[in-house]
Amino acid sequence: AQSVTQPDIHITVSEGASLELRCNYSYGATPYLFWYVQSPGQGLQLLLKYFSGDTLVQGIKGFEAEFKRSQSSFNLRKPSVHWSDAAEYFCAVVPQNSGGSNYKLTFGKGTLLTVNP
Amino acid sequence: KAGVTQTPRYLIKTRGQQVTLSCSPISGHRSVSWYQQTPGQGLQFLFEYFSETQRNKGNFPGRFSGRQFSNSRSEMNVSTLELGDSALYLCASSLEGGTPLHFGNGTRLTVT
Repeated sequence: AQSVTQPDIHITVSEGASLELRCNYSYGATPYLFWYVQSPGQGLQLLLKYFSGDTLVQGIKGFEAEFKRSQSSFNLRKPSVHWSDAAEYFCAVVPQNSGGSNYKLTFGKGTLLTVNP
Repeated sequence: KAGVTQTPRYLIKTRGQQVTLSCSPISGHRSVSWYQQTPGQGLQFLFEYFSETQRNKGNFPGRFSGRQFSNSRSEMNVSTLELGDSALYLCASSLEGGTPLHFGNGTRLTVT
């Protein structure tokens, strides 16, 4: 079955430290890949997406993610975390060539990020 | 440009009742999707509407239904509420269906 796994339920980092959130997927072919962030009481905001091409993707708020086909992974990174980055992060996938009538996101269970001052 | 607007933000209902949630997409967006978010199951796709037609549906019972109006606004209805329906319901819109999806802040439904 197709699935998305975020192995870390909760991560705590100190402000200024680097961050890596893990995401692995299990699909027949490489899907489209996304990272979303959800702050308390808010909806989801798209951080970045990967469709094809360069495997290192830059997003908003200083985030980047690297696609590794051999590992079926799409890990999110940030070199220096700010207190405002505390939130829940979701990896999501959509099968390639999806659009219109067959487009639906499959989400991982999320990783809650706590930032210590 | 206004974002996706969901109303109400909070709802408290009793088991057996029904509820209607509303979503106004970004102006010009014709596709509206609904997702349910619970601590146990995470984020799950409910259904997607485009031009007043349901195009895609997730694995939810028939108690969950929706509709879309000619102005692209969408409503979601849950009948015969169960305790397990307590969740954050998120609406997302896009131009034609597909990325990028723009999410609203959700409606928090509590069933007692």
